[in-house]
Amino acid sequence: GDSVTQTEGPVTVSESESLIINCTYSATSIAYPNLFWYVRYPGEGLQLLLKVITAGQKGSSRGFEATYNKETTSFHLQKASVQESDSAVYYCALGPDTNAYKVIFGKGTHLHVLP
Amino acid sequence: GGIITQTPKFLIGQEGQKLTLKCQQNFNHDTMYWYRQDSGKGLRLIYYSITENDLQKGDLSEGYDASREKKSSFSLTVTSAQKNEMAVFLCASSSGQNQDTQYFGPGTRLLVL
Repeated sequence: GDSVTQTEGPVTVSESESLIINCTYSATSIAYPNLFWYVRYPGEGLQLLLKVITAGQKGSSRGFEATYNKETTSFHLQKASVQESDSAVYYCALGPDTNAYKVIFGKGTHLHVLP
Repeated sequence: GGIITQTPKFLIGQEGQKLTLKCQQNFNHDTMYWYRQDSGKGLRLIYYSITENDLQKGDLSEGYDASREKKSSFSLTVTSAQKNEMAVFLCASSSGQNQDTQYFGPGTRLLVL
């Protein structure tokens, strides 16, 4: 079936270090999946960080990047130098499914950035 | 821009009680969603609605009812609260065009005593 697997947290890194949160997907019933990263900052609602709808393309936002790799079915989230304000829960997501409305979310990765 | 509001923010219920959660959006979006979030389990889709008066079951619909009487509102009812249940319920909306971005509300935290 369709699924998303991402790095299990919590992930703890120090400020200015590099970060990668892995995300792999299975899209057996979705011909042309769109890939998303959502983020929930402390005290805020879940919001879109970036999305990529074309294989081979890269999305970027707030210093984060993710490349849609169809060959490895991956959409890893990377940042070269994290800040304390990046502490949040990050969700990788895949959509739409065959009925064009459902999105499949990963379990979320809790990121702690130490000052 | 727009906003999604969820009420109540916190909901404490008793075992067996029927509990209703409400969601309002002013994006004028066609599609609305209800998700349940449990620790370590990510977001699981309960119900969604692609237009006013439409209801579609998600993966976790058993034990829940939903209602979409207006385009701007989508309510969820826990038909019989389970003892010691604790979860966050998230409402979201999207334009519905080729799976556009979903916009989320702040959530309702449920605790059943």
